[in-house]
Amino acid sequence: AQSVTQPDIHITVSEGASLELRCNYSYGATPYLFWYVQSPGQGLQLLLKYFSGDTLVQGIKGFEAEFKRSQSSFNLRKPSVHWSDAAEYFCAVGAPPGGSYIPTFGRGTSLIVHP
Amino acid sequence: DAGVTQSPTHLIKTRGQHVTLRCSPISGHKSVSWYQQVLGQGPQFIFQYYEKEERGRGNFPDRFSARQFPNYSSELNVNALLLGDSALYLCASTPSPGTGELFFGEGSRLTVL
Repeated sequence: AQSVTQPDIHITVSEGASLELRCNYSYGATPYLFWYVQSPGQGLQLLLKYFSGDTLVQGIKGFEAEFKRSQSSFNLRKPSVHWSDAAEYFCAVGAPPGGSYIPTFGRGTSLIVHP
Repeated sequence: DAGVTQSPTHLIKTRGQHVTLRCSPISGHKSVSWYQQVLGQGPQFIFQYYEKEERGRGNFPDRFSARQFPNYSSELNVNALLLGDSALYLCASTPSPGTGELFFGEGSRLTVL
């Protein structure tokens, strides 16, 4: 069964500092990988996704993520954080097409941004 | 274009009652999934429907049921509510299963007293 681990429950950074949120997955083959963001009281919005090909993927709002098969990781990065980036971030893993596609989400990392 | 819409946005019920949550997918999307998000946790998969058929079911008791209508909208029903059912219930749509990205609504916040 697929699973996702986000080891950091909370991350605090200063505005303008760089950011890296960690995500480790468990899946028997190359999975589909996603990062979603959730602002307070809102639904989830997709930041970026990895299906295949280039292991460095670019997303919206200046975010990027790198797929590392050897480490079973898909960490999210941003070079300079803005106060509006404060939110909950979820990593998700899903199986490639061939059947029902049901993403599994991690428990999330809460990003706090200090001015 | 309208995104995924859910209703009601907030509701309060008492233990033992029944609740129905509704979801309208993005136009052209034929698959709907339901997730439960308890405070401080990630979304947990409940159901996936495609073309009115159940395609997947998560580890939830039989008190939880769902259906999808010919216009691809969906309902989630929960019977005999427990305090632990208090959560944000999220609906997500996608053109079909396996296409990757899920498009989420803003959720229905259920409080069980």
